[in-house]
Amino acid sequence: AQSVTQLDSHVSVSEGTPVLLRCNYSSSYSPSLFWYVQHPNKGLQLLLKYTSAATLVKGINGFEAEFKKSETSFHLTKPSAHMSDAAEYFCVVRTGGRDDKIIFGKGTRLHILP
Amino acid sequence: DSGVTQTPKHLITATGQRVTLRCSPRSGDLSVYWYQQSLDQGLQFLIQYYNGEERAKGNILERFSAQQFPDLHSELNLSSLELGDSALYFCASSAGQGWRNTEAFFGQGTRLTVV
Repeated sequence: AQSVTQLDSHVSVSEGTPVLLRCNYSSSYSPSLFWYVQHPNKGLQLLLKYTSAATLVKGINGFEAEFKKSETSFHLTKPSAHMSDAAEYFCVVRTGGRDDKIIFGKGTRLHILP
Repeated sequence: DSGVTQTPKHLITATGQRVTLRCSPRSGDLSVYWYQQSLDQGLQFLIQYYNGEERAKGNILERFSAQQFPDLHSELNLSSLELGDSALYFCASSAGQGWRNTEAFFGQGTRLTVV
């Protein structure tokens, strides 16, 4: 079955330290993968996307993600967290193939500690 | 600003009532998607329209319906409202029929509260 799993519902990091938000997917086809961010009372904003080009994808606000097919992962990272990064992050998979679906992860809430 | 406009931003209504949520996609985008976000269910895909026609259906209740008009704006109609329908409803748009190689752009959402 096609699925996307965000391994942590909450992540807390101190300001200035690295961020790692984990995402694993399951897809029978070559998927398209996206990370979205949602700030409180706001809509979802695209951070970055992978669509079968370079496996290391750079996004906005210093975020990047690496597509690892062997591990079926698409983890989101940032070298140094800012207070403004506090938000909810969604990993999204477009599965492709005949039964094409867009699947959202349940989200990871990122807390930044001063 | 994503370019996707949703109205109203907030809506409070009583159980049993009917409401209409409106979405204007980004200029030139032909696909409109509706999502429901609640605390217990997370983000759920409801329905997609492409250039006026229904393209895909997700977990949309029979009490809910949607349509996309010739000018490409879309409306989501929710009827016989229940307390459990309280949620944030998002509209998104994309250029093509789906998300392949293109992302979707999300509106700010309509927060529906059923009392």
